[in-house]
Amino acid sequence: EAGVAQSPRYKIIEKRQSVAFWCNPISGHATLYWYQQILGQGPKLLIQFQNNGVVDDSQLPKDRFSAERLKGVDSTLKIQPAKLEDSAVYLCASSLGQGEADTQYFGPGTRLTVL
Amino acid sequence: GQNIDQPTEMTATEGAIVQINCTYQTSGFNGLFWYQQHAGEAPTFLSYNVLDGLEEKGRFSSFLSRSKGYSYLLLKELQMKDSASYLCAVRFNQAGTALIFGKGTTLSVSS
Repeated sequence: EAGVAQSPRYKIIEKRQSVAFWCNPISGHATLYWYQQILGQGPKLLIQFQNNGVVDDSQLPKDRFSAERLKGVDSTLKIQPAKLEDSAVYLCASSLGQGEADTQYFGPGTRLTVL
Repeated sequence: GQNIDQPTEMTATEGAIVQINCTYQTSGFNGLFWYQQHAGEAPTFLSYNVLDGLEEKGRFSSFLSRSKGYSYLLLKELQMKDSASYLCAVRFNQAGTALIFGKGTTLSVSS
């Protein structure tokens, strides 16, 4: 079974530039999550989708971050404009979205460096 | 807040046993996960606990006490490849199915 795919794996940009990340979840997984992981910290949820609807985006800095999940499969996360503090690994995870032990499976992440 | 607390670093030697503790606030608790994360890689799922007691999976076991807001991950017969960060993550009712992660415990295994 293919895992969660993400691209690009690495991205270096200058502050105030824009960047977009792509995620393809595990086939059949209804729920998709974007997490931000700053060095030395645990992942922090940015946004959660159930199919193509947003479940929770309370921690997404909406003045600069946006995300969409068209057709309930792939998702993109965009930052515009980027700030130095956005340097982090952006992890995409997916889960079936049902059952008590609804386990999240993570992609390899995109490491963003903002200069 | 929904703080998840775990030690920052631990060291151990090959063949030993190590216990990584995690504490969390009990209000709204709805399940606890442990993930392993090697440097530069994605977190991988290790275990899930929602009821009190011990769950064993080969060399790894996870324990939960709901009333105490406490869990531990027990790693036996340590190997060098076990050197990694171990993340404790809790699902709270208020957060739907999303997880709140601790900062992770970096385990270094030496020979």
